[in-house]
Amino acid sequence: AQTVTQSQPEMSVQEAETVTLSCTYDTSESNYYLFWYKQPPSRQMILVIRQEAYKQQNATENRFSVNFQKAAKSFSLKISDSQLGDTAMYFCAFIGYNQGGKLIFGQGTELSVKP
Amino acid sequence: DGGITQSPKYLFRKEGQNVTLSCEQNLNHDAMYWYRQDPGQGLRLIYYSQIVNDFQKGDIAEGYSVSREKKESFPLTVTSAQKNPTAFYLCASSLRAINEQFFGPGTRLTVL
Repeated sequence: AQTVTQSQPEMSVQEAETVTLSCTYDTSESNYYLFWYKQPPSRQMILVIRQEAYKQQNATENRFSVNFQKAAKSFSLKISDSQLGDTAMYFCAFIGYNQGGKLIFGQGTELSVKP
Repeated sequence: DGGITQSPKYLFRKEGQNVTLSCEQNLNHDAMYWYRQDPGQGLRLIYYSQIVNDFQKGDIAEGYSVSREKKESFPLTVTSAQKNPTAFYLCASSLRAINEQFFGPGTRLTVL
């Protein structure tokens, strides 16, 4: 069975600094997608970034980038120039090509950006 | 504006009553999903539908039911058989089953 593990329940960072959130996953599939979602206090789930497993290049979206290590099954999220609006719960998620749409979430990391 | 809407935002229910949560999307997505989120927890899949008139159980389907009569609508009924229904419920949709999912704003259900 596929699993997603986020080992950091809480993290904090000073405004304008850089922070990295960790995620590891376990799967026997070779084709899959990985995602990071953000859930601010409003509780709306927002897609931050996605990574296709067959692409070696790490995905980047403005201040958000990932470090995808397929062999190590690691998928960390780096947030540069942290802003107060980045304060949120961050979820790592996995979906395999053979999973019929079942998105598997980690337990989440609560990030606080301090002024 | 394209998006996913859920209603109501807050819902209160007495024990023993069934209640239906609405989810509508105008993104022309084929697949739709229902998740439950408990405090401090990740999301757990209740039901999902890849196409109209077809749906599958997720990891925690007991005490819930769904229908998918129209592409844009995927209502969730929380029945009296659900032992602990108080939670935050999120609906999502994706173009196809393998694509990224987009979420609605959620419904907070409280059983009194």
